[in-house]
Amino acid sequence: AQSVTQPDIHITVSEGASLELRCNYSYGATPYLFWYVQSPGQGLQLLLKYFSGDTLVQGIKGFEAEFKRSQSSFNLRKPSVHWSDAAEYFCAVGPHSTDSWGKLQFGAGTQVVVTP
Amino acid sequence: GAGVSQSPRYKVAKRGQDVALRCDPISGHVSLFWYQQALGQGPEFLTYFQNEAQLDKSGLPSDRFFAERPEGSVSTLKIQRTQQEDSAVYLCASSLAVSKSSYNEQFFGPGTRLTVL
Repeated sequence: AQSVTQPDIHITVSEGASLELRCNYSYGATPYLFWYVQSPGQGLQLLLKYFSGDTLVQGIKGFEAEFKRSQSSFNLRKPSVHWSDAAEYFCAVGPHSTDSWGKLQFGAGTQVVVTP
Repeated sequence: GAGVSQSPRYKVAKRGQDVALRCDPISGHVSLFWYQQALGQGPEFLTYFQNEAQLDKSGLPSDRFFAERPEGSVSTLKIQRTQQEDSAVYLCASSLAVSKSSYNEQFFGPGTRLTVL
């Protein structure tokens, strides 16, 4: 079965420190990959996406992610976190077949806490 | 506003009541999606429309759940005879188009938090 795993439920990081959030997927082929952020009371906002091509993708708010086919991973990174980065982060995969192009499958999320 | 809007933002229902949740997508967006997000979990796909056609309803958990988009714009998710396990945030998203040749970003609304007592 297809799956998306975010191994870290909760991460605490100091302001100014680097951040890496892990995402592993299980799919039959290379899916479309996404990272979303959800702040309290807000809708999900797309940080970045990977469809094909360069495996290092840049997103908004200074985030980047690297697709590693050999590890079935799409980890999210930020070199220096700001207090406003405290939120929940979701990795998601899109379909690679024609049975349902609308469906996104999300991981369980990683809650990021930023300390002063 | 230019974003996806949902109403109501909060809904409390007694078990057994019917509820209707509304989604107004971004103007011109062809595709519309519903997701259910239980507490502490990621969103789970429920159903998706392309214009007024419901192309995938495989995620609807039971026949008590029904979604429609009769004119290809506003959508309503209806839950009949609500149960406690229906308590969740219901998210709506829209996008320009979703197909093999064109996969566009899904823009999410703020969600409707449903609590069933």
